[in-house]
Amino acid sequence: SSELTQDPAVSVALGQTVRITCQGDSLGRFPVTWYQQKPGQAPVLIIYAKNNRPSGIPDRFSGSTSGNTASLTITGTQADDEADYYCNSRDNSAHYVFGTGTKVTVL
Amino acid sequence: QVQLQESGPRLVKPSETLSLTCTVSGGSMTSYYWSWIRQPPGKGLEWIGYIFFSGATNYNPSLESRVTISVDTSRNEFSLNMRSVTAADTAVFYCARMHTNGWFDYWGQGTLITVSS
Repeated sequence: SSELTQDPAVSVALGQTVRITCQGDSLGRFPVTWYQQKPGQAPVLIIYAKNNRPSGIPDRFSGSTSGNTASLTITGTQADDEADYYCNSRDNSAHYVFGTGTKVTVL
Repeated sequence: QVQLQESGPRLVKPSETLSLTCTVSGGSMTSYYWSWIRQPPGKGLEWIGYIFFSGATNYNPSLESRVTISVDTSRNEFSLNMRSVTAADTAVFYCARMHTNGWFDYWGQGTLITVSS
C-alpha cells in the first residue's frame, strides 16, 4: 500500500490560520479524509469526500487536494484545536493507509 | 447514535492469539464496512482491515498473514483475531464503522492491548 507523509509538527498563534499537508502518490486518484485526535481519545472524523464536514465540526476546518498533496486548513485556530491530525486514503486495492500524523500546537 | 465498544483480554502472551470483539449499538450493521485500526503507544494510526456486513474482507498487506476479521450481524458484533503476536503488537486497538465511500465515521473508545509474558 502507498505511504502518506505529513510534517511531524506545526505551531500556530491563536486566531491565525494553519495548513497541514499530506503527500502521497495515491492522493490524486482517491478521496482523502482527515481525523483529529486529542490525547487519550479516539480519532474524530473532521473532513470527508474532499471538503465535507460531519455535523458538529466547525466550518473553520476545510480540506483540499492538488495533485499528490492534500491539505487541511484551520482558519481562526482556537485553543481547542490543539491535537494530532491524520490524513487517510486508499490505494487501487482498497487498502487504507493513514498519514504519519501532524501535531498542532496553538501558541 | 451509533456506538461501538471493544472488548477482550487486555494482556496477551507472546506467540499467542489476540482476540477482540466490537459490539455495535444504535444502528444496523447492514450496508457498512466494519474496520479495525491500531495505534502503538506514542505512534500513529495503522489500518488493520475491514469486513463488509456480508462477510467480504480486506486486510493490510503487512498484517494479512496473521489477521482474521469476522462478523456476526445477528449479534451486532464483529471480531479481530491476530495470531503469533509479539511485543511490537502492543497498541490501542480501535474498531470503527467505515462508510462505503471510505471514511471512518464512528469509532470505539479504544482498548489497550499489551503483549507480554
